[in-house]
Amino acid sequence: ETGVTQTPRHLVMGMTNKKSLKCEQHLGHNAMYWYKQSAKKPLELMFVYSLEERVENNSVPSRFSPECPNSSHLFLHLHTLQPEDSALYLCASSRQLAGGTDTQYFGPGTRLTVL
Amino acid sequence: GEDVEQSLFLSVREGDSSVINCTYTDSSSTYLYWYKQEPGAGLQLLTYIFSNMDMKQDQRLTVLLNKKDKHLSLRIADTQTGDSAIYFCAEIPYTGRRALTFGSGTRLQVQP
Repeated sequence: ETGVTQTPRHLVMGMTNKKSLKCEQHLGHNAMYWYKQSAKKPLELMFVYSLEERVENNSVPSRFSPECPNSSHLFLHLHTLQPEDSALYLCASSRQLAGGTDTQYFGPGTRLTVL
Repeated sequence: GEDVEQSLFLSVREGDSSVINCTYTDSSSTYLYWYKQEPGAGLQLLTYIFSNMDMKQDQRLTVLLNKKDKHLSLRIADTQTGDSAIYFCAEIPYTGRRALTFGSGTRLQVQP
């Protein structure tokens, strides 16, 4: 148990649906991250939040909309996705913004399939 | 730019040593990490090394860093079937982005 949980673990959605991914950390960390892991590319950073403020948006399409209501919770709202968005979406947290021994702890991921 | 590369696959026999290699391009990298991902799970931090170190040992794991060649390796001694997983090398620069840059991962298969 890493202290970072993600729900749901699996999600199948149509291209016209709206859904949300949830991440929760019980580690008292101040920074949270969304990554995308697909079969053909290395792990891609999507968003970084520090103290509920977005500090990095790594050129992610607007059909992905993050929300960080407090330092323990992070959401990824999804709408009008494409089949190529099918991937494993990983959430991570760190005590401060990542660096040195403040490394990132990962959740188990949400396996998303877009039909 | 930042780029981290790894070979895709490694197969060893149980009890042998495994060596997983990684090269990176960012000379300002301060910390380098090795993560393990088992099927259906997220990434688990195995170990990390600071860029002013050459070697770090932690039980069965040995990390070697050649900063001149920008080459990082992870050696697993007495490899067990439970070590079968994907291993990711990652780095973070001294300045700039606030998160890790990962390699594509090396799938380690341990045969009995």
